[in-house]
Amino acid sequence: SQQGEEDPQALSIQEGENATMNCSYKTSINNLQWYRQNSGRGLVHLILIRSNEREKHSGRLRVTLDTSKKSSSLLITASRAADTASYFCAPQNSGNTGKLIFGQGTTLQVKP
Amino acid sequence: SQTIHQWPATLVQPVGSPLSLECTVEGTSNPNLYWYRQAAGRGLQLLFYSIGIDQISSEVPQNLSASRPQDRQFILSSKKLLLSDSGFYLCASRDRGAYYEQYFGPGTRLTVT
Repeated sequence: SQQGEEDPQALSIQEGENATMNCSYKTSINNLQWYRQNSGRGLVHLILIRSNEREKHSGRLRVTLDTSKKSSSLLITASRAADTASYFCAPQNSGNTGKLIFGQGTTLQVKP
Repeated sequence: SQTIHQWPATLVQPVGSPLSLECTVEGTSNPNLYWYRQAAGRGLQLLFYSIGIDQISSEVPQNLSASRPQDRQFILSSKKLLLSDSGFYLCASRDRGAYYEQYFGPGTRLTVT
């Protein structure tokens, strides 16, 4: 299993703006997942993108995956104060354990 | 989807005391189960994972242990807590297969004093 590394570590934007977070990883993957964590809560799954997919959408979320660069990005469009949270990427290797190794995450603050 | 229950929600324990955190899962059977710890303002550290009853793998050597006495029950234990065991403990569950996400419980906030 491998760790995803998120960039930037912290991001502060105004409500209505777009937020982009990036993730890099080191070895080949089966899929890559993004999670959100509100302060003091458990993680919530946002999107899973498979290694043979390049882009995936879910509501205001858009995830891209570039396996040649071993990187992914999460775009949140038209951000809201409720989007304030920490965001984690988790690359997953093949195998039956389903282990995810999380990085430090990106802390997003959306100011009203 | 799955629902993960954890208890207690918060716990304050003295150094040297034992620990038992429990996690139960609803909405699936034969899942993979995981224990994570998160220090304040940090990412998640995978502690243990289990692919079946009595099949536990440890990721980080420490004074914690895990057990899975039933298919959908995962327990994290310690015989003697250390100050460094303080943190936010999260249990997660995942269906078997290649393309499944993890479902997380609400967490237990442990403070060792």
